[in-house]
Amino acid sequence: RKEVEQDPGPFNVPEGATVAFNCTYSNSASQSFFWYRQDCRKEPKLLMSVYSSGNEDGRFTAQLNRASQYISLLIRDSKLSDSATYLCVVISTGGGNKLTFGTGTQLKVEL
Amino acid sequence: GAVVSQHPSWVICKSGTSVKIECRSLDFQATTMFWYRQFPKQSLMLMATSNEGSKATYEQGVEKDKFLINHASLTLSTLTVTSAHPEDSSFYICSAGPGRSDQPQHFGDGTRLSIL
Repeated sequence: RKEVEQDPGPFNVPEGATVAFNCTYSNSASQSFFWYRQDCRKEPKLLMSVYSSGNEDGRFTAQLNRASQYISLLIRDSKLSDSATYLCVVISTGGGNKLTFGTGTQLKVEL
Repeated sequence: GAVVSQHPSWVICKSGTSVKIECRSLDFQATTMFWYRQFPKQSLMLMATSNEGSKATYEQGVEKDKFLINHASLTLSTLTVTSAHPEDSSFYICSAGPGRSDQPQHFGDGTRLSIL
């Protein structure tokens, strides 16, 4: 089993739709969680950190469920510019700042 | 502005050539930097952890003699792909963070390496 798992998609949604991605992690000692966005042939860019209490940044909402070991990302009112691959990233204790990436979920927002 | 600088962005060279990629932290000191590789349509895979002033830690399956890492200062790590072959063609990315384990990493722009 992979340490961090995501549905690779692609998720094809119309503009304005609400879409949600889930990510599960296997290491219960994981301590920090992030969503990164990666555009085609570009480096990953931090989208948002994920906190236990849940957090929101504009159209984006992230949730963490430690008991079930999954995190989620909700995108409301999706835009064409949201089309990208969304990477779930986990930092576990004992690994320094080493990030473990999910395989990414590809989102395509269409007219 | 970018807080991690990576050069070069693109490299195209003949098989057998050694290629050096630089990763610099611009606004902070980084005792640890990370090197990743990404093949088309796949996720980032950690290759090695670069430690300032000591040997790098390589992930399983990554040849340390093939991918030489030097972290000679608190702001610079280099990855040298020695005697590169077409199967080494990939997207190489470095990352660094200011130190706290719960803080996200900053990524370089990546280096697209194509070996002919």
